[in-house]
Amino acid sequence: AQKITQTQPGMFVQEKEAVTLDCTYDTSDPSYGLFWYKQPSSGEMIFLIYQGSYDQQNATEGRYSLNFQKARKSANLVISASQLGDSAMYFCAMSTSNYQLIWGAGTKLIIKP
Amino acid sequence: SAVISQKPSRDICQRGTSLTIQCQVDSQVTMMFWYRQQPGQSLTLIATANQGSEATYESGFVIDKFPISRPNLTFSTLTVSNMSPEDSSIYLCSGSGRGRDNEQFFGPGTRLTVL
Repeated sequence: AQKITQTQPGMFVQEKEAVTLDCTYDTSDPSYGLFWYKQPSSGEMIFLIYQGSYDQQNATEGRYSLNFQKARKSANLVISASQLGDSAMYFCAMSTSNYQLIWGAGTKLIIKP
Repeated sequence: SAVISQKPSRDICQRGTSLTIQCQVDSQVTMMFWYRQQPGQSLTLIATANQGSEATYESGFVIDKFPISRPNLTFSTLTVSNMSPEDSSIYLCSGSGRGRDNEQFFGPGTRLTVL
């Protein structure tokens, strides 16, 4: 069965430090995509970064990078030089063959000044 | 990507009443989805909104409770019927078909409180 696991319910990080949010996945499909979304307290879901299963290089978008380890089935999000505005819920998701996304439980990230 | 607007942004309703949430996309999308997010939880897919036909509901969700319409490729509505306090959640509309893979982009959500 397809599944996304986020094992960190919450994290506290000092401002300006780098932070890694864990995500592991399980699928038997050879082709899939992995996504990270940010949800601030306002409730909107903001797309951050995407990694395709056949992509040779790890995805990067500004301060966000995705540490994709296919053999380990992990897709960790790395945020460099964290900022107070990074405090939010972060969700990992995986695409399926029926156009839907499977979602992890989320990690609540709090950046301390 | 595309821009999605949703209204109302929030509402407080009495039990037993119904609320209709509107979702408008600024350009055509292939798929539209409705999610429920209960407090402190992840997203749960309610249904896929199909243009011009009945929505496809996920296990645990039924049309009588959550009727959905999608008259065209840019608009959909979700009604939460006969509400109870357990329906208090954020309801999110999303669209896909304009980005990579099955990337979904979201509206701002509707924060519903049922008293």
